[in-house]
Amino acid sequence: DTAVSQTPKYLVTQMGNDKSIKCEQNLGHDTMYWYKQDSKKFLKIMFSYNNKELIINETVPNRFSPKSPDKAHLNLHINSLELGDSAVYFCASSLQYEQYFGPGTRLTVT
Amino acid sequence: DAKTTQPTSMDCAEGRAANLPCNHSTISGNEYVYWYRQIHSQGPQYIIHGLKNNETNEMASLIITEDRKSSTLILPHATLRDTAVYYCIVSSSNAGGTSYGKLTFGQGTILTVHP
Repeated sequence: DTAVSQTPKYLVTQMGNDKSIKCEQNLGHDTMYWYKQDSKKFLKIMFSYNNKELIINETVPNRFSPKSPDKAHLNLHINSLELGDSAVYFCASSLQYEQYFGPGTRLTVT
Repeated sequence: DAKTTQPTSMDCAEGRAANLPCNHSTISGNEYVYWYRQIHSQGPQYIIHGLKNNETNEMASLIITEDRKSSTLILPHATLRDTAVYYCIVSSSNAGGTSYGKLTFGQGTILTVHP
């Protein structure tokens, strides 16, 4: 059984488009996260939600809007995609200490 | 969150213990030491964490110095599948705070296990 799943796994799109990445966890965790890993492999936190409430927003452009319809889901919507948004996006969830990461979504903006 | 310093890369022979060091001299009293690893093209994987006592689980052991300024992750019998980037992170896990659960990943140590 997949603990943290993301869809799609790969996403190729053109500049200016709007796209969404979905994340679901079946672990019963209260907190979910989005991370971005760029081409230089640096992994940086973007957002964190606890019980559907935003608790971390790491100066991410307004074009990125997370949505948490319930505790098990944290989706990431990106408006007006730019070349610099190309990266691997990881969703994660946690109950208290350890975070469980999804397999990642590789976004390529052309 | 406190910053960490790790060697850029390390090698280890299969079947031998891999000892990965980490310096975190500015760690504060409420910060835990976490270790994660990332195998190529996969999401990061939690390994172990500790506050001040040494910890052991099925994957690894974590040795934290008495002054908490450094730690060592020990993989007792490294296998080829342990080849990965290993991240040492210090983070406060106080629930309710604005940095709750925030992990700040550095460059990590590339561990290569050789046959």
